[in-house]
Amino acid sequence: QKEVEQDPGPLSVPEGAIVSLNCTYSNSAFQYFMWYRQYSRKGPELLMYTYSSGNKEDGRFTAQVDKSSKYISLFIRDSQPSDSATYLCAMKETDSWGKLQFGAGTQVVVTP
Amino acid sequence: NAGVTQTPKFRILKIGQSMTLQCTQDMNHNYMYWYRQDPGMGLKLIYYSVGAGITDKGEVPNGYNVSRSTTEDFPLRLELAAPSQTSVYFCASSRPGGDWDTEAFFGQGTRLTVV
Repeated sequence: QKEVEQDPGPLSVPEGAIVSLNCTYSNSAFQYFMWYRQYSRKGPELLMYTYSSGNKEDGRFTAQVDKSSKYISLFIRDSQPSDSATYLCAMKETDSWGKLQFGAGTQVVVTP
Repeated sequence: NAGVTQTPKFRILKIGQSMTLQCTQDMNHNYMYWYRQDPGMGLKLIYYSVGAGITDKGEVPNGYNVSRSTTEDFPLRLELAAPSQTSVYFCASSRPGGDWDTEAFFGQGTRLTVV
């Protein structure tokens, strides 16, 4: 069983729709939770990060962490074609030297 | 501001050949990492370094070697290339301390094919 599970998609939505992405994990020691966005043939870039449980909002993006269920989510409101990318969840334990455990990534396609 | 720079961007190797993937960062980050990304598998950590002269194995180190003689550079060496090493390789860096060590900055990647 993988430590981090993420549906690879693709997830196709019309412009303006809400995109809902999620990951589940098995390691209860994970404390830091991140979402990276990766455009085709580019390196990942940090989109959102959350420490422990709770919600975090940044513009059109909302990240949620439910540690009791070992489940994290990313919501993109008012999706735009420029949001078309692969979204990777990542997580790490405290004091783990920044070593990240990544999900497989979900490919999102926003159609005009 | 260049960030993390990887060279080459693409490479085709024959089985048994060797090569070095170069990575340099200009952000004065202590931590550097090498990941490989295979389709549908996410990124797997190969090696990491917490400072010059200090390196350690990640999740998938077999077939690779690293060195860290300066803060800026973290080359990845492939010896005796095998088809299983066909992948996209990403170098990343981050700075330690508080919450900010969670933000890893990635290079553009090196696409390697072993035939």
